[in-house]
Amino acid sequence: DQQVKQNSPSLSVQEGRISILNCDYTNSMFDYFLWYKKYPAEGPTFLISISSIKDKNEDGRFTVFLNKSAKHLSLHIVPSQPGDSAVYFCAASTTNDYKLSFGAGTTVTVRA
Amino acid sequence: DAGITQSPRYKITETGRQVTLMCHQTWSHSYMFWYRQDLGHGLRLIYYSAAADITDKGEVPDGYVVSRSKTENFPLTLESATRSQTSVYFCASRHSKDEQYFGPGTRLTVT
Repeated sequence: DQQVKQNSPSLSVQEGRISILNCDYTNSMFDYFLWYKKYPAEGPTFLISISSIKDKNEDGRFTVFLNKSAKHLSLHIVPSQPGDSAVYFCAASTTNDYKLSFGAGTTVTVRA
Repeated sequence: DAGITQSPRYKITETGRQVTLMCHQTWSHSYMFWYRQDLGHGLRLIYYSAAADITDKGEVPDGYVVSRSKTENFPLTLESATRSQTSVYFCASRHSKDEQYFGPGTRLTVT
């Protein structure tokens, strides 16, 4: 049973607008969350992370929000650019555990 | 160049054949991982390794074998390939809690 769920397989957004990607998790022991980005024919690359002691982490155009009580996190991309078109994976881990549990991914398409 | 490489990038094999996917990293990272990516499932962990000669099963280990005699290499072997093992396989090494560095992937088709 998947412990990390991305329920939206795809998202289409106009260039310059905000992209919001959602992720839910079921394991209450998860305390570290990451987002990875993947282009076709390439491996995933790390994008941004957040620890459970925070509720927000920002890096340039990318912001991740964590709602522990709802077991929900989201990734905001503002403004969206054509180069952001990719598959985005949500991942989670527990303290001292180097294994990651990944969601199924959300394919983002940024329209010109 | 430093990095993580996988070979071959593409492989077509027949059911029942043995196939080995290679992974090599130049950072001397202790931890290495094998994932498979399938539509609707995301990335699922097959096997991982904390150091040379230390390996353990992940979420979907059945039908796969790994070894790690050297820190930099982590080959994945399908002992008798099945059609359900058609997938894209990614090797990764762990830089820190923040990041795993992924290789470019191997697209395997079992006919």
